[in-house]
Amino acid sequence: DAKTTQPPSMDCAEGRAANLPCNHSTISGNEYVYWYRQIHSQGPQYIIHGLKNNETNEMASLIITEDRKSSTLILPHATLRDTAVYYCIPVPDMRFGAGTRLTVKP
Amino acid sequence: NAGVTQTPKFRILKIGQSMTLQCTQDMNHNYMYWYRQDPGMGLKLIYYSVGAGITDKGEVPNGYNVSRSTTEDFPLRLELAAPSQTSVYFCASSYSRRMGVGNQPQHFGDGTRLSIL
Repeated sequence: DAKTTQPPSMDCAEGRAANLPCNHSTISGNEYVYWYRQIHSQGPQYIIHGLKNNETNEMASLIITEDRKSSTLILPHATLRDTAVYYCIPVPDMRFGAGTRLTVKP
Repeated sequence: NAGVTQTPKFRILKIGQSMTLQCTQDMNHNYMYWYRQDPGMGLKLIYYSVGAGITDKGEVPNGYNVSRSTTEDFPLRLELAAPSQTSVYFCASSYSRRMGVGNQPQHFGDGTRLSIL
């Protein structure tokens, strides 16, 4: 099963892009990378997922390296409401690590 | 559309008491899950179910029991509450556990905050 590594915390200025990295060097070829976030103590919220190609939706973009050993979640214009803990999760393993606590500052 | 509904939202138990955490979903999802989250930590999988009548253990099943008699409901039972079970419990559902098959993320409830004193 893949193991992920994320920085414990990051800051970002409001209106700027937030780039959250995730290392998943042991991910297997058929495992997807999913990103969730958890605001305060609410239930985690799905953001985006990908396998090989870069992905974009209304919330974020996901950049996956060609060797699939790492990925970056991009929030293009961070707002104060994006302050949360962000989790990078290999699937189907579905093990949540400690994630990255993103703080968006005015 | 309610999604995943958990009850109660808060509960305080005494050591040795028992209780059932309720979870119901109205999305006709076949897979359901129970997680616990301790302060400052990520979520840990307790039990999951791939359909009515089928359940399996996750990472931390000791001290808990589950049942899945219907597609909609997946209750979690604590038989002898212990202080180590003080945590926030999240229920989730999805179309399949193997979320790589199509766009099938998990949908989470708002959690049950349980304190055991």
